[in-house]
Amino acid sequence: AQSVAQPEDQVNVAEGNPLTVKCTYSVSGNPYLFWYVQYPNRGLQFLLKYITGDNLVKGSYGFEAEFNKSQTSFHLKKPSALVSDSALYFCAVNEGMRFGAGTRLTVKP
Amino acid sequence: DTAVSQTPKYLVTQMGNDKSIKCEQNLGHDTMYWYKQDSKKFLKIMFSYNNKELIINETVPNRFSPKSPDKAHLNLHINSLELGDSAVYFCASSPVGQGNADTQYFGPGTRLTVL
Repeated sequence: AQSVAQPEDQVNVAEGNPLTVKCTYSVSGNPYLFWYVQYPNRGLQFLLKYITGDNLVKGSYGFEAEFNKSQTSFHLKKPSALVSDSALYFCAVNEGMRFGAGTRLTVKP
Repeated sequence: DTAVSQTPKYLVTQMGNDKSIKCEQNLGHDTMYWYKQDSKKFLKIMFSYNNKELIINETVPNRFSPKSPDKAHLNLHINSLELGDSAVYFCASSPVGQGNADTQYFGPGTRLTVL
């Protein structure tokens, strides 16, 4: 079965520091991998996706993610975190519409 | 302007009642979905429709019945509501569907509370 895992429930970073939110996948064949963000009391919003090609994918709000086939990972990154980045982040695989459990990112001033 | 809309936003009801949640998308997408997000924020697919045809039907109680009158609408009807049905229900749409690389667009959610 296709699945993704987010090993961290919570990530805390200081504003201005780089951030990483981790995701690993278990998918047969070539995966289509996504990151979504959920702000409080809102629906999910698309950040970025990997389909094929360049392993480094750039998305909305300065986020990027690196597809690593050997480590079966698709970690979300941002060079300099903002307080407004504080939200719940979901990794997903399109096959079967599987979402990870979510990682709550808190950026402190 | 709203791309994916859901009504109502909040729904409070008694156990045993029957209720419906409506979803509409004005994006011209072919596929629509229902998700359930529990109190721990875990998100699980319930149903998916492509052009009014059911393509995903995860293991959910048969008290839940989706209805798609046209490809812009996917409503969720729930019979005999139980306490465990309390959750936030999200509707979403995408241009093509499962197995594709298309992005999903989510509605704002409906918070269902069963007393």
